Amino acid sequence: DQQVKQNSPSLSVQEGRISILNCDYTNSMFDYFLWYKKYPAEGPTFLISISSIKDKNEDGRFTVFLNKSAKHLSLHIVPSQPGDSAVYFCAASARGDGTASKLTFGTGTRLQVTL
Amino acid sequence: DVKVTQSSRYLVKRTGEKVFLECVQDMDHENMFWYRQDPGLGLRLIYFSYDVKMKEKGDIPEGYSVSREKKERFSLILESASTNQTSMYLCASSFLVGTQYFGPGTRLTVL
Repeated sequence: DQQVKQNSPSLSVQEGRISILNCDYTNSMFDYFLWYKKYPAEGPTFLISISSIKDKNEDGRFTVFLNKSAKHLSLHIVPSQPGDSAVYFCAASARGDGTASKLTFGTGTRLQVTL
Repeated sequence: DVKVTQSSRYLVKRTGEKVFLECVQDMDHENMFWYRQDPGLGLRLIYFSYDVKMKEKGDIPEGYSVSREKKERFSLILESASTNQTSMYLCASSFLVGTQYFGPGTRLTVL
């Protein structure tokens, strides 16, 4: 049972445009969400996170939006750059149930930013 | 800067061999994790540890064991490697409640 879903395996966006990566979750206990970026042959690197008490968190070109009622979050990258081409993983944790550090990952979305 | 290192970037082993993957972190993190990443399946948790000598099974522990004798070091052991354990193995560490930081990964091929 996939509790965190990224339904788009790949996405292609032109340089300078907005990239929108989507993530859905089914477990209502999840209250903390993260995005990781992964280049080939490297480990994932933390990008941005959001707590369930917020609906938006911004860090430079990256913004994460959380819609709790829809159990949906999205990562916006504006403007997209060629260096953003990577696989993006959405992850979630349930901080309130004693397993705070355990993350559940989605299957990833490969973003390609074209010139 | 957080540093998580893994003993090998690439490893080739034969079916039935015992395989050790080592991970070391330098941030005094309590938690350490082992994942495998496969195409279309994302990152799946194999084992994790909250403290020295403590371990808990993740989602796919079958065929694996772990060892944590020191706080900074977490080892993943494949007792008898099989071809379906060919994968990218990723180690991560974190404070008790915190962001996980990953190592560079080990690409293991079992022939």
